[in-house]
Amino acid sequence: GAGVSQTPSNKVTEKGKYVELRCDPISGHTALYWYRQSLGQGPEFLIYFQGTGAADDSGLPNDRFFAVRPEGSVSTLKIQRTERGDSAVYLCASSETGTGLTSGANVLTFGAGSRLTVL
Amino acid sequence: QKEVEQDPGPLSVPEGAIVSLNCTYSNSAFQYFMWYRQYSRKGPELLMYTYSSGNKEDGRFTAQVDKSSKYISLFIRDSQPSDSATYLCAMSAPSNFGNEKLTFGTGTRLTIIP
Repeated sequence: GAGVSQTPSNKVTEKGKYVELRCDPISGHTALYWYRQSLGQGPEFLIYFQGTGAADDSGLPNDRFFAVRPEGSVSTLKIQRTERGDSAVYLCASSETGTGLTSGANVLTFGAGSRLTVL
Repeated sequence: QKEVEQDPGPLSVPEGAIVSLNCTYSNSAFQYFMWYRQYSRKGPELLMYTYSSGNKEDGRFTAQVDKSSKYISLFIRDSQPSDSATYLCAMSAPSNFGNEKLTFGTGTRLTIIP
Protein backbone atom coordinates (compact mmCIF):
# COMPACT_ATOMS: atom_id res chain seq x y z
CA GLY A 1 0.00 0.00 0.00
CA ALA A 2 0.88 3.67 -0.09
CA GLY A 3 1.58 3.92 3.61
CA VAL A 4 1.71 1.95 6.84
CA SER A 5 -1.75 0.77 7.79
CA GLN A 6 -2.73 -0.05 11.37
CA THR A 7 -5.93 -1.62 12.62
CA PRO A 8 -7.95 -1.05 14.67
CA SER A 9 -7.53 2.70 14.92
CA ASN A 10 -9.22 2.60 18.31
CA LYS A 11 -9.67 -0.26 20.75
CA VAL A 12 -11.41 -0.12 24.11
CA THR A 13 -11.12 -3.17 26.30
CA GLU A 14 -11.50 -4.22 29.89
CA LYS A 15 -8.69 -4.98 32.27
CA GLY A 16 -7.56 -8.59 31.96
CA LYS A 17 -8.65 -9.05 28.34
CA TYR A 18 -6.49 -10.10 25.39
CA VAL A 19 -5.80 -7.65 22.55
CA GLU A 20 -4.30 -7.93 19.07
CA LEU A 21 -3.11 -4.95 17.06
CA ARG A 22 -2.26 -5.31 13.39
CA CYS A 23 0.29 -3.52 11.22
CA ASP A 24 0.48 -3.69 7.43
CA PRO A 25 3.81 -2.12 6.37
CA ILE A 26 4.74 -0.52 3.08
CA SER A 27 5.15 -3.20 0.43
CA GLY A 28 8.77 -4.28 0.10
CA HIS A 29 9.92 -2.85 3.43
CA THR A 30 11.93 -5.50 5.23
CA ALA A 31 12.27 -3.73 8.58
CA LEU A 32 9.28 -3.26 10.89
CA TYR A 33 9.13 -1.55 14.27
CA TRP A 34 6.61 -1.22 17.08
CA TYR A 35 6.64 1.79 19.37
CA ARG A 36 4.33 2.83 22.21
CA GLN A 37 3.36 6.46 22.83
CA SER A 38 1.75 7.36 26.14
CA LEU A 39 -0.14 10.62 26.57
CA GLY A 40 2.20 13.60 26.53
CA GLN A 41 5.26 11.45 25.83
CA GLY A 42 7.40 10.59 22.87
CA PRO A 43 7.25 7.13 21.30
CA GLU A 44 9.15 4.36 23.12
CA PHE A 45 10.73 1.46 21.25
CA LEU A 46 9.18 -1.96 21.75
CA ILE A 47 10.45 -4.39 19.10
CA TYR A 48 12.16 -4.53 15.70
CA PHE A 49 11.75 -7.17 12.98
CA GLN A 50 14.09 -7.77 10.09
CA GLY A 51 12.10 -10.03 7.80
CA THR A 52 10.28 -12.65 9.83
CA GLY A 53 12.54 -12.62 12.87
CA ALA A 54 12.49 -10.34 15.90
CA ALA A 55 16.01 -8.92 15.79
CA ASP A 56 15.59 -6.76 18.90
CA ASP A 57 12.77 -7.17 21.43
CA SER A 58 14.53 -5.36 24.26
CA GLY A 59 11.78 -2.75 24.55
CA LEU A 60 8.93 -5.13 25.35
CA PRO A 61 7.96 -4.21 28.93
CA ASN A 62 7.15 -7.73 30.15
CA ASP A 63 6.06 -11.19 29.00
CA ARG A 64 2.46 -10.10 28.51
CA PHE A 65 3.60 -8.45 25.29
CA PHE A 66 4.44 -10.49 22.20
CA ALA A 67 4.72 -9.72 18.49
CA VAL A 68 4.91 -11.85 15.37
CA ARG A 69 5.59 -11.34 11.69
CA PRO A 70 5.21 -14.83 10.23
CA GLU A 71 5.55 -14.04 6.52
CA GLY A 72 7.81 -11.01 6.73
CA SER A 73 5.04 -8.55 5.94
CA VAL A 74 2.05 -8.04 8.26
CA SER A 75 2.83 -7.95 11.97
CA THR A 76 0.59 -8.46 14.99
CA LEU A 77 1.28 -7.10 18.46
CA LYS A 78 -0.40 -9.21 21.12
CA ILE A 79 -1.08 -8.11 24.67
CA GLN A 80 -2.31 -10.60 27.27
CA ARG A 81 -4.08 -9.78 30.53
CA THR A 82 -4.25 -6.10 29.72
CA GLU A 83 -3.72 -3.56 32.49
CA ARG A 84 -4.81 0.08 32.73
CA GLY A 85 -1.18 1.11 32.37
CA ASP A 86 -1.12 -0.43 28.88
CA SER A 87 -3.37 2.38 27.63
CA ALA A 88 -1.43 4.23 24.93
CA VAL A 89 -1.12 4.69 21.19
CA TYR A 90 0.76 1.79 19.62
CA LEU A 91 2.68 2.93 16.56
CA CYS A 92 4.07 0.75 13.81
CA ALA A 93 6.80 1.88 11.42
CA SER A 94 8.55 0.28 8.47
CA SER A 95 11.67 0.99 6.45
CA GLU A 96 13.47 -0.42 3.44
CA THR A 97 16.37 -1.68 5.52
CA GLY A 98 17.44 -1.64 9.12
CA THR A 99 21.04 -0.85 8.60
CA GLY A 100 21.57 2.81 9.22
CA LEU A 101 20.64 6.28 8.14
CA THR A 102 23.90 7.32 6.53
CA SER A 103 22.95 5.67 3.26
CA GLY A 104 19.73 7.62 3.25
CA ALA A 105 17.74 4.46 2.75
CA ASN A 106 16.53 3.78 6.24
CA VAL A 107 13.80 6.35 6.71
CA LEU A 108 11.10 5.13 9.09
CA THR A 109 7.53 5.66 7.93
CA PHE A 110 5.02 5.54 10.78
CA GLY A 111 1.40 4.54 10.69
CA ALA A 112 -1.31 6.58 12.41
CA GLY A 113 -1.31 4.19 15.37
CA SER A 114 -3.80 2.09 17.27
CA ARG A 115 -5.19 3.88 20.32
CA LEU A 116 -5.70 1.34 23.11
CA THR A 117 -7.79 2.17 26.15
CA VAL A 118 -7.97 -0.32 29.00
CA LEU A 119 -10.84 0.34 31.40
CA GLN B 1 17.11 11.25 34.24
CA LYS B 2 15.89 10.61 30.71
CA GLU B 3 18.41 10.04 27.94
CA VAL B 4 16.75 12.77 25.87
CA GLU B 5 15.23 15.92 27.38
CA GLN B 6 12.85 18.18 25.50
CA ASP B 7 10.75 21.07 26.77
CA PRO B 8 7.13 19.99 26.22
CA GLY B 9 5.88 23.56 25.80
CA PRO B 10 3.31 24.49 24.72
CA LEU B 11 4.92 27.15 22.53
CA SER B 12 2.82 29.77 20.73
CA VAL B 13 4.30 32.25 18.26
CA PRO B 14 2.83 34.64 15.67
CA GLU B 15 2.85 33.73 12.00
CA GLY B 16 6.12 34.68 10.30
CA ALA B 17 8.24 34.37 13.45
CA ILE B 18 11.36 32.26 13.73
CA VAL B 19 10.83 29.21 15.92
CA SER B 20 13.61 27.55 17.88
CA LEU B 21 13.15 24.04 19.26
CA ASN B 22 15.82 22.09 21.06
CA CYS B 23 16.77 18.93 22.89
CA THR B 24 19.59 17.86 25.14
CA TYR B 25 20.84 14.32 25.58
CA SER B 26 23.14 12.36 27.82
CA ASN B 27 24.18 9.31 25.74
CA SER B 28 27.44 10.14 23.98
CA ALA B 29 26.96 7.11 21.69
CA PHE B 30 24.16 8.85 19.78
CA GLN B 31 25.30 9.64 16.25
CA TYR B 32 22.07 10.01 14.28
CA PHE B 33 19.78 12.93 15.07
CA MET B 34 16.31 13.44 13.71
CA TRP B 35 13.34 15.75 13.96
CA TYR B 36 9.83 14.42 13.48
CA ARG B 37 6.59 16.35 13.15
CA GLN B 38 3.39 14.85 14.51
CA TYR B 39 -0.06 16.19 13.82
CA SER B 40 -2.93 15.32 16.13
CA ARG B 41 -4.09 11.71 15.76
CA LYS B 42 -1.34 10.99 13.20
CA GLY B 43 1.95 9.15 13.28
CA PRO B 44 5.30 11.01 13.40
CA GLU B 45 6.64 12.19 10.04
CA LEU B 46 10.38 12.60 9.48
CA LEU B 47 11.36 16.23 8.80
CA MET B 48 15.13 16.13 8.88
CA TYR B 49 18.01 13.97 9.95
CA THR B 50 21.69 14.66 10.57
CA TYR B 51 24.59 12.30 11.01
CA SER B 52 27.04 13.45 13.68
CA SER B 53 27.67 17.18 14.18
CA GLY B 54 26.90 20.10 11.92
CA ASN B 55 24.08 21.98 10.27
CA LYS B 56 21.58 20.93 7.65
CA GLU B 57 19.11 23.15 5.86
CA ASP B 58 15.96 22.20 3.96
CA GLY B 59 13.75 25.04 2.84
CA ARG B 60 12.47 26.88 5.92
CA PHE B 61 13.94 24.28 8.28
CA THR B 62 17.47 24.17 9.71
CA ALA B 63 18.77 21.43 12.00
CA GLN B 64 21.87 21.90 14.12
CA VAL B 65 23.80 19.35 16.14
CA ASP B 66 26.46 20.22 18.72
CA LYS B 67 27.84 16.93 20.01
CA SER B 68 30.32 18.64 22.34
CA SER B 69 27.38 20.15 24.24
CA LYS B 70 25.01 17.25 23.58
CA TYR B 71 22.50 19.74 22.22
CA ILE B 72 20.42 19.75 19.06
CA SER B 73 18.15 22.40 17.58
CA LEU B 74 15.53 22.85 14.91
CA PHE B 75 14.83 26.31 13.51
CA ILE B 76 11.74 27.14 11.50
CA ARG B 77 11.83 30.37 9.49
CA ASP B 78 8.77 32.27 8.29
CA SER B 79 6.52 30.05 10.39
CA GLN B 80 3.10 29.19 8.97
CA PRO B 81 -0.14 28.08 10.68
CA SER B 82 0.34 24.72 8.95
CA ASP B 83 3.51 24.26 11.02
CA SER B 84 1.32 23.91 14.14
CA ALA B 85 2.07 20.41 15.42
CA THR B 86 4.11 18.52 17.98
CA TYR B 87 7.81 18.36 17.15
CA LEU B 88 9.76 15.36 18.39
CA CYS B 89 13.51 15.04 18.47
CA ALA B 90 14.87 11.51 18.10
CA MET B 91 18.32 9.98 18.28
CA SER B 92 19.99 6.65 17.74
CA ALA B 93 23.32 4.95 18.17
CA PRO B 94 24.96 2.22 16.07
CA SER B 95 23.93 -1.16 17.41
CA ASN B 96 24.73 -4.82 16.96
CA PHE B 97 21.28 -5.30 15.50
CA GLY B 98 21.84 -2.76 12.73
CA ASN B 99 18.48 -1.19 13.45
CA GLU B 100 17.37 2.35 14.02
CA LYS B 101 16.25 2.00 17.62
CA LEU B 102 15.15 5.56 18.12
CA THR B 103 15.07 7.34 21.48
CA PHE B 104 12.57 10.19 21.36
CA GLY B 105 12.12 13.34 23.38
CA THR B 106 8.71 14.07 24.87
CA GLY B 107 7.83 16.44 22.02
CA THR B 108 7.17 20.20 21.96
CA ARG B 109 3.67 21.31 21.08
CA LEU B 110 3.89 24.31 18.74
CA THR B 111 1.06 26.64 17.71
CA ILE B 112 1.50 29.32 15.02
CA ILE B 113 -1.01 32.10 15.52
CA PRO B 114 -2.33 33.68 12.26
